[in-house]
Amino acid sequence: EAGVTQSPTHLIKTRGQQATLRCSPISGHTSVYWYQQALGLGLQFLLWYDEGEERNRGNFPPRFSGRQFPNYSSELNVNALELEDSALYLCASSLAGTGHHEQYFGPGTRLTVT
Amino acid sequence: GEDVEQSLFLSVREGDSSVINCTYTDSSSTYLYWYKQEPGAGLQLLTYIFSNMDMKQDQRLTVLLNKKDKHLSLRIADTQTGDSAIYFCADSNQAGTALIFGKGTTLSVSS
Repeated sequence: EAGVTQSPTHLIKTRGQQATLRCSPISGHTSVYWYQQALGLGLQFLLWYDEGEERNRGNFPPRFSGRQFPNYSSELNVNALELEDSALYLCASSLAGTGHHEQYFGPGTRLTVT
Repeated sequence: GEDVEQSLFLSVREGDSSVINCTYTDSSSTYLYWYKQEPGAGLQLLTYIFSNMDMKQDQRLTVLLNKKDKHLSLRIADTQTGDSAIYFCADSNQAGTALIFGKGTTLSVSS
């Protein structure tokens, strides 16, 4: 069974640009979570989508947004990129009804903002 | 708000036991988790413990939970060089809508 996949693996952008990151959950999983892992800050919760709806949002500005598609894949968009947005962005998925229990993570997208 | 604290580094010799400690603030947690992150990879769920348990053993891994002190530990027996990684402790927030992670403990195993 395929795990959580993310694309691209690496993304290099300049300040002010927009970045789009993609995630495909494990087949049968309806919840998708996004996390930011920045150097020195640990893993910070960004967004949680379930059944196409945003269920919870972490302490991030509105320029971090996303959506979940009918096939449960998800996109994270970061507008007006800033240098401090450079980080590893991790996506995770879980089964319906388990909430955030037993989240399975993808390998991440390394975003570098120059 | 909710917080999870871990020591940042632990260095052990191959064959020794490793103990990684974590403290958390939210007393309403249902589950507490340990994740492992190898270099260049995402997080792998290692094990979790239900809040009404004191201990859970899974092969070389032992999780101990002290609810009174809000202290969680992960013991790895017979530590191998392949265990070198970053270990994250995680708790769920009060609303049960997100996982709160510690900053991670980097375990270095020398032969």
